[in-house]
Amino acid sequence: KNEVEQSPQNLTAQEGEFITINCSYSVGISALHWLQQHPGGGIVSLFMLSSGKKKHGRLIATINIQEKHSSLHITASHPRDSAVYICAASYFGNEKLTFGTGTRLTIIP
Amino acid sequence: NAGVTQTPKFRILKIGQSMTLQCAQDMNHNYMYWYRQDPGMGLKLIYYSVGAGITDKGEVPNGYNVSRSTTEDFPLRLELAAPSQTSVYFCASNVAGGSYNEQFFGPGTRLTVL
Repeated sequence: KNEVEQSPQNLTAQEGEFITINCSYSVGISALHWLQQHPGGGIVSLFMLSSGKKKHGRLIATINIQEKHSSLHITASHPRDSAVYICAASYFGNEKLTFGTGTRLTIIP
Repeated sequence: NAGVTQTPKFRILKIGQSMTLQCAQDMNHNYMYWYRQDPGMGLKLIYYSVGAGITDKGEVPNGYNVSRSTTEDFPLRLELAAPSQTSVYFCASNVAGGSYNEQFFGPGTRLTVL
């Protein structure tokens, strides 16, 4: 069964802290997606990666294929980073994504 | 581009009523998806479509129907609404399947069935 697990479920940190959110998956994937859902509810795609590392501004996503694990890092966190971060896995020959339950991040000024 | 649009934003239904959630995209995407998001749960796929005239069931299709007569539109029909269908519904689209392309999401429809 294809499963995606995230940790932690909830994370509260002070502004400026370095944030790490983890995602593990159970079987081989074609790509790992990181998404952000803001308090208003909208969902946007942050990264899609199948190997190595990607960076966009203060956000960095990494993936370790052998360990079936991905991390999302936020450097110099800011209250506007407060959101739910969701990882999702896609599989070869399958149009569908399998989603984790999300990590609720709160950054306190 | 408007991207993916959904209407309505909010709706309250009584048990047994029916309604259609509208979804449209203007990016000429072939693939479209309907998800529901329940509190504390990951997004669950209801139905998806790989092109006009082609639809298929996802993980949780019971109580819903879809159609795809055009590339742009992918409405979701709820027949005989039940409290278990209280949820937030998201429509999404991408150029090709999830393996190779990011999905673009609509703003969601919050549905309450009382």
